[in-house]
Amino acid sequence: NAGVTQTPKFQVLKTGQSMTLQCAQDMNHNSMYWYRQDPGMGLRLIYYSASEGTTDKGEVPNGYNVSRLNKREFSLRLESAAPSQTSVYFCASSEGTGGRQPQHFGDGTRLSIL
Amino acid sequence: GENVEQHPSTLSVQEGDSAVIKCTYSDSASNYFPWYKQELGKRPQLIIDIRSNVGEKKDQRIAVTLNKTAKHFSLHITETQPEDSAVYFCAASKPDSWGKFQFGAGTQVVVTP
Repeated sequence: NAGVTQTPKFQVLKTGQSMTLQCAQDMNHNSMYWYRQDPGMGLRLIYYSASEGTTDKGEVPNGYNVSRLNKREFSLRLESAAPSQTSVYFCASSEGTGGRQPQHFGDGTRLSIL
Repeated sequence: GENVEQHPSTLSVQEGDSAVIKCTYSDSASNYFPWYKQELGKRPQLIIDIRSNVGEKKDQRIAVTLNKTAKHFSLHITETQPEDSAVYFCAASKPDSWGKFQFGAGTQVVVTP
């Protein structure tokens, strides 16, 4: 009964390094999402994938890329990490089609960029 | 696009009292309104949701009300307990949005014994 699994849980990077955050869901959901959450702030959508094979930009996509590898997996890549990308990253999934369904969140990846 | 405003940003209540958080949304097409609770260092977790064809929904000490005319919805927590201390987020979603949410900024609720 894993739900949404994110790896790694913690990561420290140096400025300019690259990193891929992994996310997998076992609920056969169509849609998946990546958010970032900065201290004391809400959730901001980075990218989403409405269905397997599609991805689209959210509110704050600059500096990130995504891949929807298959229906289960949705990865987030930082090509050249910057200190401004220090944040907690959450992956979520939902049935998506037709809306009116909750999103289920993973435990998050805490990323620090020095 | 959709905009969701959430008030208050912080809320302190005595244990046993009620807490009310209010959200307003801008897009009248929105038809799904979930509420999430996020404890410190944890993931957001769904606590209750309401669809636009319903005016009120209850689950034990938690209730949500929806006023479509005024475009606002509220979370009510009765008989608050210390374990209710957390950040609460409201969200709104529209049809044909692939399940995307517009989240409110969050309310920090502190329940003091």
